Amino acid sequence: GAGVSQTPSNKVTEKGKYVELRCDPISGHTALYWYRQSLGQGPEFLIYFQGTGAADDSGLPNDRFFAVRPEGSVSTLKIQRTERGDSAVYLCASSLGGRAEQFFGPGTRLTVL
Amino acid sequence: GENVEQHPSTLSVQEGDSAVIKCTYSDSASNYFPWYKQELGKGPQLIIDIRSNVGEKKDQRIAVTLNKTAKHFSLHITETQPEDSAVYFCAAIEAGTALIFGKGTTLSVSS
Repeated sequence: GAGVSQTPSNKVTEKGKYVELRCDPISGHTALYWYRQSLGQGPEFLIYFQGTGAADDSGLPNDRFFAVRPEGSVSTLKIQRTERGDSAVYLCASSLGGRAEQFFGPGTRLTVL
Repeated sequence: GENVEQHPSTLSVQEGDSAVIKCTYSDSASNYFPWYKQELGKGPQLIIDIRSNVGEKKDQRIAVTLNKTAKHFSLHITETQPEDSAVYFCAAIEAGTALIFGKGTTLSVSS
């Protein structure tokens, strides 16, 4: 079946602009996670949704970052007033409710000029 | 919170040799330990995992061992092939929450 999909695959923006990154989880997966991966590093947790609600947003670095999942399926990560330090690959993962295995999408490479 | 350390950062082996990657974790409440393989330009792919009630798990050429007392776990790849070349990440989780990843090991298998 279809895996986790993320759009766009690449996004180039200018400092100060607003961006939205989209994640489509595996059908039926109730848990959805966002991670950020800088070059040469492991993924770092940002936010976790169980259904429509954010169960844990402790990884969001500051209030410029926000994520929603209004219908419990697709999620959008929103970044306001982008900074060059936001440049990274943003990864989305999903899992079946109650199970630990997380399956990742291909990521969105964000470049802030 | 949880902290995961991973060694070595790079590993070069000849085709057919074995490769071992080791990780340690800090939070004794962690009970799920997955390993991911990441190829260039792709997302991490789950290759094997182990839960805290099991000491060893094997799947064809890959195996994972867990020592709960010492808080370390290892990935073993036997009969390595060039297509095993990638970055490997270990992670730890208290089930149902976020994964905490190690910094990764770049494995190079030369033929």
